[in-house]
Amino acid sequence: DAMVIQNPRYQVTQFGKPVTLSCSQTLNHNVMYWYQQKSSQAPKLLFHYYDKDFNNEADTPDNFQSRRPNTSFCFLDIRSPGLGDAAMYLCATSRGGTSGGTQYFGPGTRLTVL
Amino acid sequence: SQKIEQNSEALNIQEGKTATLTCNYTNYSPAYLQWYRQDPGRGPVFLLLIRENEKEKRKERLKVTFDTTLKQSLFHITASQPADSATYLCALPQFSGGYNKLIFGAGTRLAVHP
Repeated sequence: DAMVIQNPRYQVTQFGKPVTLSCSQTLNHNVMYWYQQKSSQAPKLLFHYYDKDFNNEADTPDNFQSRRPNTSFCFLDIRSPGLGDAAMYLCATSRGGTSGGTQYFGPGTRLTVL
Repeated sequence: SQKIEQNSEALNIQEGKTATLTCNYTNYSPAYLQWYRQDPGRGPVFLLLIRENEKEKRKERLKVTFDTTLKQSLFHITASQPADSATYLCALPQFSGGYNKLIFGAGTRLAVHP
């Protein structure tokens, strides 16, 4: 089945220790997104790639970076995690364009910062 | 600024009853609106999309209405079951750079009791 996969499902890191979360998709979608979601809050868009074009949200901290080496994979790098970065990180994909923008989400990675 | 409001209080209903969830928005004129389901510790799953020229959309036991005058969407689950217990998010498109990104509400948690 076509899907969005995130690894790992749970990640524990120490304050200030860099961490990388990964996302892969078999949907062949143009757009890949990274969201941060804290408990009982809306998913907050951090950035997205439309093909190779990177689009950063204005309020995304510089501490967060992303890479998309090919259509299928996208990575979220947190350079120096703080306690406030503990959250669920969601990867999503969509076809792009104005067709409707339905997004397909992965299961998420729960990040704990000690 | 654009804002989406969903009832932050959990909705508790008895099995077999109809659940009705509300999504209100301001400073938007969306071409469509989407509803997603999110289970604890999982990514959101797309349920329904309704366009601005559609008053109502149905899918099995789900029904969505969209009132662009009131700036409101209602999401109904008829003959509710305990398996319907989850958080339901509404999302509206924000057109940017040639494609639509989604702005999510914080969701309303539904608990269906046997």
